[in-house]
Amino acid sequence: QVQLQQWGAGLLKPSETLSLTCAVYGGSFSGYYWSWIRQPPGKGLEWIGEINHSGSTNYNPSLKSRVTISVDTSKNQFSLKLSSVTAADTAVYYCARGPEDCSSTSCYQTPFDPWGQGTLVTVSS
Amino acid sequence: EIVLTQSPGTLSLSPGERATLSCRASQSVSSSYLAWYQQKPGQAPRLLIYGASSRATGIPDRFSGSGSGTDFTLTISRLEPEDFAVYYCQQYGSSPTFGQGTKVEIK
Repeated sequence: QVQLQQWGAGLLKPSETLSLTCAVYGGSFSGYYWSWIRQPPGKGLEWIGEINHSGSTNYNPSLKSRVTISVDTSKNQFSLKLSSVTAADTAVYYCARGPEDCSSTSCYQTPFDPWGQGTLVTVSS
Repeated sequence: EIVLTQSPGTLSLSPGERATLSCRASQSVSSSYLAWYQQKPGQAPRLLIYGASSRATGIPDRFSGSGSGTDFTLTISRLEPEDFAVYYCQQYGSSPTFGQGTKVEIK
């Protein structure tokens, strides 16, 4: 059973860079896309971006200029960096598997499942 | 970007009642790549339904999904106490987007 465990700094000052890492345990890492998703307090969910084991990425256009997602296949981990944070970036950040499965001979779209436990990141001066 | 609009915003029902949640897309969702999630306070979202109508592993059969194109529905046939939560729809046919959520609360 695949499990995701994430970690990173929970308190940042404006203009700093958010950095989170997600480790994948108990299943295949290659062949899937892996995503970051965030949820401001009391609000809905926003997809940030995705990466596969080869390092191919796609980002939400609204965040693209500030986001970098990277992968470390030797550790089955992927990471998120979000630069120049403001209070508007305060949210619970989740990692998740999806939205694409290329583990067989062809690729197909998938929902997000499973998810990490979430990390609350607060931006405050 | 495909915008998903969920209705109603809040649904007040009693245990044992039927819940019907709606999700409308601004354009057609390809291949019914539409999912539903349940989220409880302090928890990550939990996948309930994918492909518009397929239940995820371990999801009780009181949860069902239907729809295609731009109109989708999540139905909970008889609400159990643990079903009171927020529900999100999500499309994954193109750049992923989520609806704003429907809160199912105890009446």
